[in-house]
Amino acid sequence: AQSVTQLDSHVSVSEGTPVLLRCNYSSSYSPSLFWYVQHPNKGLQLLLKYTSAATLVKGINGFEAEFKKSETSFHLTKPSAHMSDAAEYFCVVTDQGSGGYNKLIFGAGTRLAVHP
Amino acid sequence: NAGVTQTPKFQVLKTGQSMTLQCAQDMNHNSMYWYRQDPGMGLRLIYYSASEGTTDKGEVPNGYNVSRLNKREFSLRLESAAPSQTSVYFCASSTGTSISGNTIYFGEGSWLTVV
Repeated sequence: AQSVTQLDSHVSVSEGTPVLLRCNYSSSYSPSLFWYVQHPNKGLQLLLKYTSAATLVKGINGFEAEFKKSETSFHLTKPSAHMSDAAEYFCVVTDQGSGGYNKLIFGAGTRLAVHP
Repeated sequence: NAGVTQTPKFQVLKTGQSMTLQCAQDMNHNSMYWYRQDPGMGLRLIYYSASEGTTDKGEVPNGYNVSRLNKREFSLRLESAAPSQTSVYFCASSTGTSISGNTIYFGEGSWLTVV
């Protein structure tokens, strides 16, 4: 079965500095991986996804993530944080449920704080 | 672009009461899902519907029922609410259920408190 571990529950950065949110996964096959962002009292918005094409994936709002199979990692980065990036971020891996459905396995989330 | 729309956004229930969360999507997606979100646990799948006319249990189905009314709509019913069902509920949809990278789109959530 697939699993996903977000290594930091909270990350705090200053505005204009780089962001790194770490995610490791376990998989018995080549998974699809996603990063979603959730702003307070809002739904989840897709940032980016990896589906076995290019290992460096670019997403919205300047975020990108690199799929490293040897390290089973899919870390999310952004060169320069903006105040509006403050939110909770979820790393997600797909698994196949018993009915063949597209089961999503969520990490516990990383809360990103951005300080002026 | 409405996407996935859930109602109500906020609800307070007394223990034992029943209620239905409504969800509709306008993206012509085949598959729909209900998740609950609890602190520190990410999202957990309650029920899903791979296509119109089918529903299946997810990870945490106990205490819930669902109806796939048509291709657009997928409702979640709590027959006898319990405090353990206090949570944020998300409806979602995708083009299909295969693990080929179908993107799942989420609604904005329904905050439910059971007292």
